[in-house]
Amino acid sequence: DAKTTQPPSMDCAEGRAANLPCNHSTISGNEYVYWYRQIHSQGPQYIIHGLKNNETNEMASLIITEDRKSSTLILPHATLRDTAVYYCIVRVAQSGYALNFGKGTSLLVTP
Amino acid sequence: SAVISQKPSRDICQRGTSLTIQCQVDSQVTMMFWYRQQPGQSLTLIATANQGSEATYESGFVIDKFPISRPNLTFSTLTVSNLSPEDSSIYLCSVEGGGEITEAFFGQGTRLTVV
Repeated sequence: DAKTTQPPSMDCAEGRAANLPCNHSTISGNEYVYWYRQIHSQGPQYIIHGLKNNETNEMASLIITEDRKSSTLILPHATLRDTAVYYCIVRVAQSGYALNFGKGTSLLVTP
Repeated sequence: SAVISQKPSRDICQRGTSLTIQCQVDSQVTMMFWYRQQPGQSLTLIATANQGSEATYESGFVIDKFPISRPNLTFSTLTVSNLSPEDSSIYLCSVEGGGEITEAFFGQGTRLTVV
């Protein structure tokens, strides 16, 4: 079973920030939090990952709580093209491990 | 990064037949992963394919039904055998980019419909 819990769906107005929460209360010390998204009819796409510090890249920001039991993915200015299913996944950073996908959050960005 | 070409993108097959899906990567990778995504569901790992060894299958998936080949470091095939309507799904291959981030890259998927 997936180690994460996410709300099944969220809405966000175009241009506003989308904040997608994820609970991972059983995360181990050597596990990272990864975020992927899957736009309809496409393969999943890597967004960002982090261990314990907040991370930012050109796509999003990742905020991880101090106890590492939850995190939030932030899309600062959501566009219609951000409509997708977002998956929060915890895993070790070493290569050779497959991704354990949960049900994810279906984000709908509306005009 | 890694660019994955997956073929075919979609197919409609008769029950009882087989479909072979090809996955070509633009760089050499040690492991390739095959996933299934049933309609309206999340992705489920079928097997992990290493070059030069037999694939490792997850619980609920068997080699007779999902034979996998991995002849070299850039190519793999997944065959879905003895098709039934329950096999109608999207099948995706995935590789890791390597390096420190180890993010995964995915093909665009093969949408299989069994009639």
